[in-house]
Amino acid sequence: DAGITQSPRHKVTETGTPVTLRCHQTENHRYMYWYRQDPGHGLRLIHYSYGVKDTDKGEVSDGYSVSRSKTEDFLLTLESATSSQTSVYFCAISEGVAEGTDTQYFGPGTRLTVL
Amino acid sequence: AQSVSQHNHHVILSEAASLELGCNYSYGGTVNLFWYVQYPGQHLQRLLKYFSGDPLVKGIKGFEAEFIKSKFSFNLRKPSVQWSDTAEYFCAVNNAGNMLTFGGGTRLMVKP
Repeated sequence: DAGITQSPRHKVTETGTPVTLRCHQTENHRYMYWYRQDPGHGLRLIHYSYGVKDTDKGEVSDGYSVSRSKTEDFLLTLESATSSQTSVYFCAISEGVAEGTDTQYFGPGTRLTVL
Repeated sequence: AQSVSQHNHHVILSEAASLELGCNYSYGGTVNLFWYVQYPGQHLQRLLKYFSGDPLVKGIKGFEAEFIKSKFSFNLRKPSVQWSDTAEYFCAVNNAGNMLTFGGGTRLMVKP
């Protein structure tokens, strides 16, 4: 397994509170991604990063922000959590060597419940 | 925007049955195609990929997939499933940069 950890693994929070999820990699891969997984929707890209301090929006970025101050860490922040953000969040990494053909490696996921 | 459709949301099979999971995508240009699998309690992992060349690709654990460009399809197959194949399967397509668009997933249950 690729060296990817996510923290926390489970979190329950209340509507309106800020939440930060952390993804940490030990592979020195260039690209990092945040997805959310919801039944019937598969995985949808929230934000991604192609280098330190280089990030861009994905398909479902509203209500989320990210930061990457070090190669190994990619943070996802919900500034004011809503019940619609209850989901399982996956971090992924890829080398970024061969555009379009890189395999993405996934972390174990974080289950977030917003009450 | 590109989309990926997996028409079978839930599939139940008995051991030794043959498996075919459908995947269709909407993009008409050059695409790179993947199947990922998520076993219960485990990370998503790549089963196989297609970039170019032989449209029949083989992956891990006896899985294969066939790319049919004219049908915009990339169906996953396995001749004889095992109980350990119980998992959720995701088709994914890349057509630009390093971004993947995933299908909605198919939950496979294999009865012993």
